[in-house]
Amino acid sequence: GQQVMQIPQYQHVQEGEDFTTYCNSSTTLSNIQWYKQRPGGHPVFLIQLVKSGEVKKQKRLTFQFGEAKKNSSLHITATQTTDVGTYFCAGFSSGNTGKLIFGQGTTLQVKP
Amino acid sequence: GAVVSQHPSWVICKSGTSVKIECRSLDFQATTMFWYRQFPKQSLMLMATSNEGSKATYEQGVEKDKFLINHASLTLSTLTVTSAHPEDSSFYICSATQGVDTEAFFGQGTRLTVV
Repeated sequence: GQQVMQIPQYQHVQEGEDFTTYCNSSTTLSNIQWYKQRPGGHPVFLIQLVKSGEVKKQKRLTFQFGEAKKNSSLHITATQTTDVGTYFCAGFSSGNTGKLIFGQGTTLQVKP
Repeated sequence: GAVVSQHPSWVICKSGTSVKIECRSLDFQATTMFWYRQFPKQSLMLMATSNEGSKATYEQGVEKDKFLINHASLTLSTLTVTSAHPEDSSFYICSATQGVDTEAFFGQGTRLTVV
């Protein structure tokens, strides 16, 4: 079945450093979504990318969708302690419409 | 964004009993609801996809007779863990979407502890 792989699993950074998490799917995705889950909380939607090669920015966060629509990345510039949490990518497969599959997530720790 | 309410937020039950978890979309009609299970420090494992008025589609390895899902209306889906055992203890989260390939809104989650 469809698999969504995400790396790294954990990342510890000093406040002010950059952070990137990568997402790869075993199948082509119709779109990719990114979520953030704070400790003890539930996932919260950040953004959705639909077009091949699409790049979107939200303040210090930059999201990219690969040309083949099988991979994506989230880059945070100059991390802050408020960025702490687990970031998940999730995708609806092109051939498996209706099923939202999550990557394993990357847990970010930021040292002040 | 849209609001999804999940209840209860936590529950402790005895082995052998059944527990029902409700997931409601408060301000939109959810064509599809998803049920996930999350172990500590792990990802969300999709258990089943539920569409209003039809039978849920279960993922491989998920026992449909143990995890009963009912999606009776466009705003309510329920997950019943039947004959619960300690290994069923976990964090269960529902999410709802308004259409295919759209943003998913998550409930607060239910922490189930079976003793």
